[in-house]
Amino acid sequence: GAGVSQSPRYKVAKRGQDVALRCDPISGHVSLFWYQQALGQGPEFLTYFQNEAQLDKSGLPSDRFFAERPEGSVSTLKIQRTQQEDSAVYLCASSLGGPGVPRYTDTQYFGPGTRLTVL
Amino acid sequence: KNQVEQSPQSLIILEGKNCTLQCNYTVSPFSNLRWYKQDTGRGPVSLTIMTFSENTKSNGRYTATLDADTKQSSLHITASQLSDSASYICVANTNAGKSTFGDGTTLTVKP
Repeated sequence: GAGVSQSPRYKVAKRGQDVALRCDPISGHVSLFWYQQALGQGPEFLTYFQNEAQLDKSGLPSDRFFAERPEGSVSTLKIQRTQQEDSAVYLCASSLGGPGVPRYTDTQYFGPGTRLTVL
Repeated sequence: KNQVEQSPQSLIILEGKNCTLQCNYTVSPFSNLRWYKQDTGRGPVSLTIMTFSENTKSNGRYTATLDADTKQSSLHITASQLSDSASYICVANTNAGKSTFGDGTTLTVKP
């Protein structure tokens, strides 16, 4: 079956531009996560959704970062007024989730990521 | 502060050889530890998950161990193949749902 897809795969933005990154999770997956991965480092958590509810946004580095999942499926990560330090790969992951399933035990399936370069 | 340290940072081995990757973690309260394989240009793929009470878990040629007392884990790869070339990432999770990722070990398997 189809896995997690992300678009675009590559994005180049000039400093100050706004960008929107899209994630299509596996159909039926309740939980959705966004991560930021700098070159040579492990992913860092940004935010977590259960269906359309954003339950954890503690990892968002500033108020320039905004994520939404309005219908509980596709999610968009928006970065306003991009800066050079925003350059990274942005990974989306989804998991089956569901009532009573702790997010820390569920297997997450990752998309290929969007590589953002801010010039 | 929750931390995950992996070693070595990079490793080169010959095809067919075995290798062991290390992960030391400091997270509280500890729930479970996962190993992921990340191929270049792709997202991570889960290899194993171990909870506090488990000390070994296998997935084909991959065997993970966990020592919750010393807060150490290892990933052993047997009879390496060229396709094992990737970054291997250790992730420690807390009961509160927080995940701490290591920076990974980059493994290169040469023919």
